[in-house]
Amino acid sequence: GENVEQHPSTLSVQEGDSAVIKCTYSDSASNYFPWYKQELGKGPQLIIDIRSNVGEKKDQRIAVTLNKTAKHFSLHITETQPEDSAVYFCAASFLGSARQLTFGSGTQLTVLP
Amino acid sequence: DGGITQSPKYLFRKEGQNVTLSCEQNLNHDAMYWYRQDPGQGLRLIYYSQIVNDFQKGDIAEGYSVSREKKESFPLTVTSAQKNPTAFYLCASSIAGLGADTQYFGPGTRLTVL
Repeated sequence: GENVEQHPSTLSVQEGDSAVIKCTYSDSASNYFPWYKQELGKGPQLIIDIRSNVGEKKDQRIAVTLNKTAKHFSLHITETQPEDSAVYFCAASFLGSARQLTFGSGTQLTVLP
Repeated sequence: DGGITQSPKYLFRKEGQNVTLSCEQNLNHDAMYWYRQDPGQGLRLIYYSQIVNDFQKGDIAEGYSVSREKKESFPLTVTSAQKNPTAFYLCASSIAGLGADTQYFGPGTRLTVL
């Protein structure tokens, strides 16, 4: 089955700096890669996703890049703000199939004021 | 308000007892899921259901049971056979149960076995 590894497990950045979280996956058939954000005491919420027919996707201060050859994808957050502090999860799956998401282990991001 | 509700928020049980966690959604989604979250281990799928009266085991189904008698409800029972039940449990739903569907999560239930 699919295996997703996520690094780092914790990340602290100064407000205004950029943050990068990286994930690798094992199944070359995976072609859908979402990122979820979990704030304290809440369930995870989808913030951005990417499909394997594109290499990069941006949404305001958030971007995700995908390298299919190396089987890794990354979340980039620019101009970080205190409200970005949360746990971020990457995941992998296969479009159009019933195969469910495989999640990474999560990254605790802390934005220091 | 549309969304997913889980109750209770905190639950305590004695070792050897079964306990049922509630999950209700009013999003009219066909698919519902149960995940277990442990520190440093991300989300692990326990069971999922893509349609009423049908469900499939996830990666860690042993010691758990579910039912899906109604579209909006997907209760999870943690049985005494689950060796390490203390964890944070998350319920989610999606439109159709395909891997690429956006999953909407409830606020979770924290279960502690005393």
